[in-house]
Amino acid sequence: GAVVSQHPSRVICKSGTSVKIECRSLDFQATTMFWYRQFPKQSLMLMATSNEGSKATYEQGVEKDKFLINHASLTLSTLTVTSAHPEDSSFYICSSTSGSSDEQYFGPGTRLTVT
Amino acid sequence: GQQLNQSPQSMFIQEGEDVSMNCTSSSIFNTWLWYKQDPGEGPVLLIALYKAGELTSNGRLTAQFGITRKDSFLNISASIPSDVGIYFCAGREGGSEKLVFGKGTKLTVNP
Repeated sequence: GAVVSQHPSRVICKSGTSVKIECRSLDFQATTMFWYRQFPKQSLMLMATSNEGSKATYEQGVEKDKFLINHASLTLSTLTVTSAHPEDSSFYICSSTSGSSDEQYFGPGTRLTVT
Repeated sequence: GQQLNQSPQSMFIQEGEDVSMNCTSSSIFNTWLWYKQDPGEGPVLLIALYKAGELTSNGRLTAQFGITRKDSFLNISASIPSDVGIYFCAGREGGSEKLVFGKGTKLTVNP
């Protein structure tokens, strides 16, 4: 399957600061990437769909000004959590479809802890 | 958001036993997927199903796309300790690129 990486794998930040998470497709070009959030012992919830060269499409209830998504190249999408608060602490996972498959392949996730 | 009904929520089995889990939806899906997630990792795609009635295997795993297109099941035969993890079903409606996930089935295999 297609390989998707995320960086960092873990990050701890103070309340009020911003954190950037990177999602990269390593062996394919990804025109579409997806950002999910997963709270402990819960399922994955889609936050937004990121399309290269255009604005991201956010799911209902997700604040676009708080979760900034940039998809400036075919191999990189970034999610910036602005003015983070403890309730933003979660596991953030990106995924992408490869050129040869319509199915989503997931990155390893980023554990965000806001203190 | 929309979610699939996945059951059971958790399973505790002995090594060597077979396992079955399923997902149902009120909506018709064009695609059913099964993923496995290990702790602290992203989900890994196990099986993808595209046609009603389709039965697909991947090693000891077998999954089926229900005839009504509103359900799917995953079977694991002769379970081994490394099968431990959380299994998620996911569905995609026609014309959509988004996936809807079930709540997951946590599998524990006792050696």
